[in-house]
Amino acid sequence: GQSLEQPSEVTAVEGAIVQINCTYQTSGFYGLSWYQQHDGGAPTFLSYNGLDGLEETGRFSSFLSRSDSYGYLLLQELQMKDSASYFCAVKLGAGSYQLTFGKGTKLSVIP
Amino acid sequence: EAGVTQFPSHSVIEKGQTVTLRCDPISGHDNLYWYRRVMGKEIKFLLHFVKESKQDESGMPNNRFLAERTGGTYSTLKVQPAELEDSGVYFCASSQDSRYEQYFGPGTRLTVT
Repeated sequence: GQSLEQPSEVTAVEGAIVQINCTYQTSGFYGLSWYQQHDGGAPTFLSYNGLDGLEETGRFSSFLSRSDSYGYLLLQELQMKDSASYFCAVKLGAGSYQLTFGKGTKLSVIP
Repeated sequence: EAGVTQFPSHSVIEKGQTVTLRCDPISGHDNLYWYRRVMGKEIKFLLHFVKESKQDESGMPNNRFLAERTGGTYSTLKVQPAELEDSGVYFCASSQDSRYEQYFGPGTRLTVT
């Protein structure tokens, strides 16, 4: 079966940096995506890593190590609006369009 | 550009009844996906359309679920008859090509009592 592990909850202070980890055990691996979801809203794409290393998009960065089956999402200069759930998702293969999701990490940003 | 829309936003039905969920993808997106999140669980893939054709329906739980995409535009997901374990949030997503980025709708929350 497919397994993506991420912490269920994380709390961080406004202005700080937080890292959300994701380890995966899947039958195949093509790339790792991160999605953000505010309560009651649509999951929104944040970033994608197909190769090892760091991808940076503004305050958000994502890292992938294929040899360790591990990735993380780094959020800098946290803002209250960053309070949301964050999901890692694996694309299993080049010809596979489906995403396999983790259970999500609920991030709470406190003043 | 309008995003992915889903209707209804909430649906409460009794066990044994039928419910039809609708998804309107982003205009021009040939790829349409259905996912489901049961409470406390991860978001799970149900199926994938390319235009009007089912490309991958490996995630459909059983034959009580029927998805259609006539004309390659909007899609419907019918559950007949509904069971208690079908409760959850049903998400639709679309994408333009084989890229990694999928655009999700806000979901339909289905409650079967």
